Amino acid sequence: AQSVTQLGSHVSVSEGALVLLRCNYSSSVPPYLFWYVQYPNQGLQLLLKYTTGATLVKGINGFEAEFKKSETSFHLTKPSAHMSDAAEYFCAVVSAGGTSYGKLTFGQGTILTVHP
Amino acid sequence: DAGVIQSPRHEVTEMGQEVTLRCKPISGHNSLFWYRQTMMRGLELLIYFNNNVPIDDSGMPEDRFSAKMPNASFSTLKIQPSEPRDSAVYFCASTPRGGNYNEQFFGPGTRLTVL
Repeated sequence: AQSVTQLGSHVSVSEGALVLLRCNYSSSVPPYLFWYVQYPNQGLQLLLKYTTGATLVKGINGFEAEFKKSETSFHLTKPSAHMSDAAEYFCAVVSAGGTSYGKLTFGQGTILTVHP
Repeated sequence: DAGVIQSPRHEVTEMGQEVTLRCKPISGHNSLFWYRQTMMRGLELLIYFNNNVPIDDSGMPEDRFSAKMPNASFSTLKIQPSEPRDSAVYFCASTPRGGNYNEQFFGPGTRLTVL
């Protein structure tokens, strides 16, 4: 069984400041990890994903995340926040092995607020 | 590609009425997921299908909820009878054929209000 914990349901930063959204996962087998973003009144869209290979993954809009197996973490970062980054962010996990038909286990979400 | 299509985008109905939400997945995708999102409970997986077959419906809240996927290009989520606590945004998502590394593509959602 897998689970995802996102630390902090709300994160507030100033425009231009570093964005750090935390995600820790639990999985008995190697995981695939995802970050999704949801803008107001829209569906979720993929920011980035880790499957295999390089542990530092770059996504859209300047976001990146690093898979750290020893810490069971997949934190999302962006060096400089922009007002347009204000949204809700979801971390998700799926087992790399077996057949789960693409079913993801989502975290509770973190709402990012960006102040001018 | 048009993406995942959901209809209606907004639905307002009265308690006790039947509500049917519709989803058209992306062509060629073989897994389809129905989610419900509320402020209180966040994003919940209700049911998902693979090759039109329901795999896991353990997230369906009660017998009032039912979902079907008669073919690869269409799915419905029905609530009968509806109750005010069913008010939420309902999302449909689909995944391409292949491994678990494939992302889910979400539709824009249906905002349901039950009065």
